[in-house]
Amino acid sequence: SAVISQKPSRDICQRGTSLTIQCQVDSQVTMMFWYRQQPGQSLTLIATANQGSEATYESGFVIDKFPISRPNLTFSTLTVSNMSPEDSSIYLCSAPGQGAGTEAFFGQGTRLTVV
Amino acid sequence: EDKVVQSPLSLVVHEGDTVTLNCSYEVTNFRSLLWYKQEKKAPTFLFMLTSSGIEKKSGRLSSILDKKELFSILNITATQTGDSAVYLCASRGSSNTGKLIFGQGTTLQVKP
Repeated sequence: SAVISQKPSRDICQRGTSLTIQCQVDSQVTMMFWYRQQPGQSLTLIATANQGSEATYESGFVIDKFPISRPNLTFSTLTVSNMSPEDSSIYLCSAPGQGAGTEAFFGQGTRLTVV
Repeated sequence: EDKVVQSPLSLVVHEGDTVTLNCSYEVTNFRSLLWYKQEKKAPTFLFMLTSSGIEKKSGRLSSILDKKELFSILNITATQTGDSAVYLCASRGSSNTGKLIFGQGTTLQVKP
């Protein structure tokens, strides 16, 4: 199983500022995923982070708001830009297990509160 | 559009009760269905199901998939207060990228 270290664990930010969340995987993975979980809601995929190319964003999410970096096969960052209180959520990174069709593993999550 | 629907959305039981959580899915080129337990932030993996009719068990938890009727159930027997959590069902579809589509989750509260 993969181990994913995510930080920060939580943060309280002022509106209009930006926060960068980091995820480090203990093994090389082709793709990493960033999810958002708004209060009381389930997980929604923001984007798929590909190494060596631009991230692929889901409907309703744009690169200007959620820029993603993927400099190598073990690391990715997600930035939440120009934050508003509506961005208050848990943000989770994820990576597939080794081998096709295996379970996905998650980082510890970042609880973001925008005031 | 692919979707995963869970029911009930919330459930309150007493210790020792048995619960059944439901998950139905409509996913293009279905590959697998996964169950997770979420207590704080990070979901923890419970089961992955790919074949119909084969029950997976782990202690008091078990799960089974019906690919004909497009649903799965998660059973928890002899519930304990530590089982209180949100249980998430997710499905992986046609792409082999690992992208998951999540249901709304079932919030389970087990009272002493």
